[in-house]
Amino acid sequence: EVQLVESGGVVVQPGGSLRLSCAASGFTFDDYAMHWVRQPPGKGLEWVSLISWDGGSTYYGDSVKGRFTISRDNSKNSLYLQMNSLTTEDTAFYYCAKDGTAARSHFDYWGQGTLVTVSS
Amino acid sequence: DIQMTQSPSSLSASVGDRVTITCQASQDISNYLNWYQQKPGKAPNLLIYDASNLVTGVPSRFSGSGSGTDFTFTISSLQPEDIATYYCQQYDNLPVTFGGGTKVEIK
Repeated sequence: EVQLVESGGVVVQPGGSLRLSCAASGFTFDDYAMHWVRQPPGKGLEWVSLISWDGGSTYYGDSVKGRFTISRDNSKNSLYLQMNSLTTEDTAFYYCAKDGTAARSHFDYWGQGTLVTVSS
Repeated sequence: DIQMTQSPSSLSASVGDRVTITCQASQDISNYLNWYQQKPGKAPNLLIYDASNLVTGVPSRFSGSGSGTDFTFTISSLQPEDIATYYCQQYDNLPVTFGGGTKVEIK
């Protein structure tokens, strides 16, 4: 059974930093690209970032480019999102999602999400 | 960026009704279009990929069609458990973009 479990969401002050983690199990982790998607409470979905199966290619949405860094450790079946220079606009549930391929396609499994609140 | 315009933003229908949601892309995305269901307090769940392919285990009352810029998602006979928000998503170009969502309620 595929499982994705996010952790690391907390309350952080504006300008602060945070690292989210996503522990994956139930599939061959290094066969697939992975994504982060976020959702402000009560609002729609926003794609945040994509990392290729081997970590060699990374991509970001415009709203986080230069502030967030996606990475993965295939030896630990883990995905990460380093978030710097946080603003109140970054307050959201953050989901990790497995891609259906090694590149970019549909998101066939999602974690339960972790809530990041940016507030003073 | 490719804009995904989803309509309606909400709808109310009776059990057994046919429900249709449309999604329009701002440029040709071929069939690189997926549909997700999100129930309150839960993560999104993939229902349809590549415009018309039903995910294994998803009830056959759900279907998708379209290509290019215009896509349709249909629930042939609305059931109480279908209460959710539905999102389209394109992956033809980065950034991946989602439609604004359609909240489906029971009348």
